Amino acid sequence: GAVVSQHPSWVICKSGTSVKIECRSLDFQATTMFWYRQFPKQSLMLMATSNEGSKATYEQGVEKDKFLINHASLTLSTLTVTSAHPEDSSFYICSAPKEANEQFFGPGTRLTVL
Amino acid sequence: RKEVEQDPGPFNVPEGATVAFNCTYSNSASQSFFWYRQDCRKEPKLLMSVYSSGNEDGRFTAQLNRASQYISLLIRDSKLSDSATYLCVVNRDDYKLSFGAGTTVTVRA
Repeated sequence: GAVVSQHPSWVICKSGTSVKIECRSLDFQATTMFWYRQFPKQSLMLMATSNEGSKATYEQGVEKDKFLINHASLTLSTLTVTSAHPEDSSFYICSAPKEANEQFFGPGTRLTVL
Repeated sequence: RKEVEQDPGPFNVPEGATVAFNCTYSNSASQSFFWYRQDCRKEPKLLMSVYSSGNEDGRFTAQLNRASQYISLLIRDSKLSDSATYLCVVNRDDYKLSFGAGTTVTVRA
């Protein structure tokens, strides 16, 4: 069964609104989670590392004020896309390492900004 | 230069055929290597880790060539259910992963 869940699985919103995506580890604790973005026919690109109890670390070129990450507990990380625009439309996927060298991915959230 | 480069394909093969493809990676310090499978509009799922000596998991065989920074995947006796995009994945540091853009395989009846 799934070990990492994401909610919502898809969302459509108007330009300028903010969208929150949740990532939960279901049967294990994750002090670190990762957020990726995937555009059509492209690779998953790591956006940021979510750290429980401390600030997220962002990859080069990812705006931390636009993509707010909160790792509020050992099983929950949230990504908020603030003032979303059509170019933010993408497939957002989180992952969490459970055991040595294996990461589990959430089912992804498909965001469409009109 | 991309961290992980793959031939995008598509590879269209009949059932029962053998198909092989590879990827190259740029970071010579990488220590962990994987093949993930991604179905359309779904999350990636781990297919297999890749070890220095090469390893096999059923019909799937993976090889690693550290000197050439090259990883391969071979699928024997292809099944219709093998149709997917195969992602070459290399670790950067700790648990951070770099993904290739994927190789699309379509197995036809």
